[in-house]
Amino acid sequence: NAGVTQTPKFQVLKTGQSMTLQCAQDMNHNSMYWYRQDPGMGLRLIYYSASEGTTDKGEVPNGYNVSRLNKREFSLRLESAAPSQTSVYFCASRQVDRGGNQPQHFGDGTRLSIL
Amino acid sequence: AQSVTQLGSHVSVSEGALVLLRCNYSSSVPPYLFWYVQYPNQGLQLLLKYTSAATLVKGINGFEAEFKKSETSFHLTKPSAHMSDAAEYFCAVTGGYQKVTFGTGTKLQVIP
Repeated sequence: NAGVTQTPKFQVLKTGQSMTLQCAQDMNHNSMYWYRQDPGMGLRLIYYSASEGTTDKGEVPNGYNVSRLNKREFSLRLESAAPSQTSVYFCASRQVDRGGNQPQHFGDGTRLSIL
Repeated sequence: AQSVTQLGSHVSVSEGALVLLRCNYSSSVPPYLFWYVQYPNQGLQLLLKYTSAATLVKGINGFEAEFKKSETSFHLTKPSAHMSDAAEYFCAVTGGYQKVTFGTGTKLQVIP
């Protein structure tokens, strides 16, 4: 009963390095999301994917890319990490049908520090 | 367009006292509203959701929230705070679309 699994849980990068954050869900949800959480700013949407093969920008997409590899997996890539991207990153999934009233399910987060 | 305002980034209550966390929303369509709780070093967990079936919504751990359309509010309450309620609480809104918009969160401190 894993739900949403994020890897890695912690990571330290140097400025300019690249890395990919992985996310997988086992609930057969059609929609997946990447957020960043910074103190006092709540959760800000980076990218989301309404279905396999589609992705859309959220509120703060600059410096990030995403891939919806299949229905289960949604990865977030930092091509050239910057200190401003130091944050806690959360992946979430949700089933969006006509009603649109289903809640999101969250992973435990990836704590990323960029030096 | 949709937005959420949570009044008070930090709230302190005594153990056994009433908990009231405020959330006001803005939405151009009838909203669906959620409250989530986040414990340290964990992800967000759903407390309760409003989906237009009933204006008073009961959630887990004794929490409830009342949807007031005239006040565009969805405040979270609990009659008696417990030490284990110390956490950060987030209100969120969606108009039934893909995007879900979160408030900036309220950290609840429970004083013994």
